Amino acid sequence: QQPVQSPQAVILREGEDAVINCSSSKALYSVHWYRQKHGEAPVFLMILLKGGEQKGHEKISASFNEKKQQSSLYLTASQLSYSGTYFCGTEPTGNTGKLIFGQGTTLQVKP
Amino acid sequence: DGGITQSPKYLFRKEGQNVTLSCEQNLNHDAMYWYRQDPGQGLRLIYYSQIVNDFQKGDIAEGYSVSREKKESFPLTVTSAQKNPTAFYLCASTPGTGRWKLFFGSGTQLSVL
Repeated sequence: QQPVQSPQAVILREGEDAVINCSSSKALYSVHWYRQKHGEAPVFLMILLKGGEQKGHEKISASFNEKKQQSSLYLTASQLSYSGTYFCGTEPTGNTGKLIFGQGTTLQVKP
Repeated sequence: DGGITQSPKYLFRKEGQNVTLSCEQNLNHDAMYWYRQDPGQGLRLIYYSQIVNDFQKGDIAEGYSVSREKKESFPLTVTSAQKNPTAFYLCASTPGTGRWKLFFGSGTQLSVL
């Protein structure tokens, strides 16, 4: 039931791009993306609802393919502040209000 | 300022002891959640409550108990039945269910003495 994220870890240089994927075995109502710094609470990035929409937040955007039950997070021209662990949270169809998180993708941006 | 307050920030539990983690919100949110996070892993749902006086088990409810007597409060008790309680515990809330972002507290680190 837990969504699967890939890759598990990414190391980038400043200015490089990255893609983080999130796949679920269940039909999804929504996908959430959060970023967490060590020892802190996760910070909300965006929500995508079924309908294949794509949303953006500064230089971070995401897409949601409901047929494939997949979402991808795109980070362009990465900055040092983008370092952290990225989690997708999925809500199965039926609006259960129950968000299930993936295992996380650790992103490290180096100067 | 509105937000979610978790206390204490650090908590130590002795063998056989029950401990209670506090979570209070002044956002007037209906739904509240408890997640457990182990090092290097994602967040796993322990319990959630969509309305006062009602709550549901998440994926790892065994060894935990909750109550929701007031809208703003959702305390989590880690009982002695939870044999591996060491983890980072996060409380969160949303205005309702579905399509709402989670508002997180700052977390409680629980360790076993």
